[in-house]
This record gives sequence, structure tokens and C-alpha cells, in this order.
Amino acid sequence: KQEVTQIPAALSVPEGENLVLNCSFTDSAIYNLQWFRQDPGKGLTSLLLIQSSQREQTSGRLNASLDKSSGRSTLYIAASQPGDSATYLCAAFGGGADGLTFGKGTHLIIQP
Amino acid sequence: IAGITQAPTSQILAAGRRMTLRCTQDMRHNAMYWYRQDLGLGLRLIHYSNTAGTTGKGEVPDGYSVSRANTDDFPLTLASAVPSQTSVYFCASSDGPFTDTQYFGPGTRLTVL
Repeated sequence: KQEVTQIPAALSVPEGENLVLNCSFTDSAIYNLQWFRQDPGKGLTSLLLIQSSQREQTSGRLNASLDKSSGRSTLYIAASQPGDSATYLCAAFGGGADGLTFGKGTHLIIQP
Repeated sequence: IAGITQAPTSQILAAGRRMTLRCTQDMRHNAMYWYRQDLGLGLRLIHYSNTAGTTGKGEVPDGYSVSRANTDDFPLTLASAVPSQTSVYFCASSDGPFTDTQYFGPGTRLTVL
């Protein structure tokens, strides 16, 4: 059974810092890995999707990498802003009944 | 374009009652999913449908049923609600079932007393 772990569970940094969120997964037989953002009381917003054949994806200040062989993904946020404060979730997609297996998230606070 | 809509937004339900959570998407996506989110346990897959007319069980399907009569709708039914089904329920969809981004609805907060 796939297990996804996110480290750290919580992170508080001053505005402007570059930061890295870590995600690890136990089963490398995945179709893709997605990073999401969730604001309190809200649904999930997709940030980036990396196919199993890809190494990284970029969107604006966000860059996500994937190393299937080591079972790791990282989300890099450049020049953090208070509006980036949210919970960030990574999820590995195994297909069909496996669906998306989520980590428990990193709760990020960017201090103004 | 609304994306994915879910109804109701929230509901308080007596144990033993039947309840259907509604999910509609307007993106003509083939695949749809139901997840529940619980504090400390994260999000877990309940049921999924790779295309209209087909459904499958996810990680935690017991006590839930789904149907997929058409592309747009994917209702989730609790036949006889129990307190352990208190949760936030999210519906999601993707164009293809294996390689495409999953988009999530705003969620339904369900409390079973």
C-alpha cells in the first residue's frame, strides 16, 4: 500500500525567503505526482502535476521535482509572500482503485 | 464555467438516515472521484469512476455507494449514516483517469449525530 510522507508538518518563515517542501512515497509505481494547496475551510487547488516520466515542472515561483527511483518529490517556492500561507499537499497517483494517495500536508505560514 | 459543484455545502444528519451528496462537473471530464478528509488521517479515496457507466472502490468504500449514469454527475450515497462518517467530502474530476490533473470541488461538510 502506498504511503506518502511530508516533511516538515509545519513551517513558519519570514516573507521573501526561498523554501523547500519535501514529499516521499514508498511505491515508485506511480503514474504522476501532484502538488496541491488548501486554504482553511476550502477545497484543494492544483499547483503542479509531474508525470512519472518527467523530472520537474515549473509554474511561476513554484518548481516541483520528482525522483521516482528514490521516492521523493520537492516543491520549491521562490520569494515567498504572505499570500502563500496555506497547507500544501502532495499526492501520488497509482491509478484506478489506488487513486491519489495524499500526504498529511505541510502547514506553511509566511510572516509579513 | 463553474468547474465542479457540490451540494449541500454542509449538512447535519441523524444516524441511520440516508443521504446523497451531489457532485456535478461541467468540464466533460471522463474520470471522477470521491474523497473524504479527516483530521489526522488526511484525504482518502472512497469511490472512483474512470468513465460514465463504470465505478470502482477506493480505500474506504464501506457504507458508501456511487453511480455514474452520465458524464457530468457522480452522486455519493450513504445508505444508513453512522457517526464515523462525519467528515468533509470532496469530489474531484480529471480528463483522463491516469495522466491528468485532478480538479477538486469545494467540499461538503457532513456531521452525523
